[in-house]
Amino acid sequence: DGGITQSPKYLFRKEGQNVTLSCEQNLNHDAMYWYRQDPGQGLRLIYYSQIVNDFQKGDIAEGYSVSREKKESFPLTVTSAQKNPTAFYLCASSIQLSSGEQYFGPGTRLTVT
Amino acid sequence: QQQVKQSPQSLIVQKGGISIINCAYENTAFDYFPWYQQFPGKGPALLIAIRPDVSEKKEGRFTISFNKSAKQFSLHIMDSQPGDSATYFCAAIYLSGNTGKLIFGQGTTLQVKP
Repeated sequence: DGGITQSPKYLFRKEGQNVTLSCEQNLNHDAMYWYRQDPGQGLRLIYYSQIVNDFQKGDIAEGYSVSREKKESFPLTVTSAQKNPTAFYLCASSIQLSSGEQYFGPGTRLTVT
Repeated sequence: QQQVKQSPQSLIVQKGGISIINCAYENTAFDYFPWYQQFPGKGPALLIAIRPDVSEKKEGRFTISFNKSAKQFSLHIMDSQPGDSATYFCAAIYLSGNTGKLIFGQGTTLQVKP
């Protein structure tokens, strides 16, 4: 089955700790994305990557970091600098950057206390 | 300029009724308008999409109406069913700009009552 996997589904961390969210795709897509979803705010773009070893900041990149060492993987690190990290995080991919169709993973719900 | 405004924020419809969700945009460079459907605890999935050179696109019970001059588009769900209960996002993208940025509306939570 082709698709996007995100793990874990639920993640709990103490304030001040960095945490890394996993995203893997086997769709052979070039582009990958990270979004943050908060109630009533839609989907906000954190980072995106067009190809391996290249990524760009989205609209709310502060307090987050990413890497793209392999085509299939695009992990997101939520650092202690992110002021309000508790949210639902969604990873997505598309065939190429200029594609209107993005495929989303099931999401990771991060709770920081 | 980059925003997509979506309304209403929430919607309750009786089974068999018509659900209507509206979106408006400012950037006339947008050239692809998809709608995504998201069930609770899941990631969004593409539902239906339209380009600005057509005024309407229908897929089953789902129809997009597009008004280029008004810079508005809407999703109509005919014969709404309880299984349609989900959050719906409209979106817009400038495909030719090659930025990869899908601009999403704020979302509409639809509840279809049996």
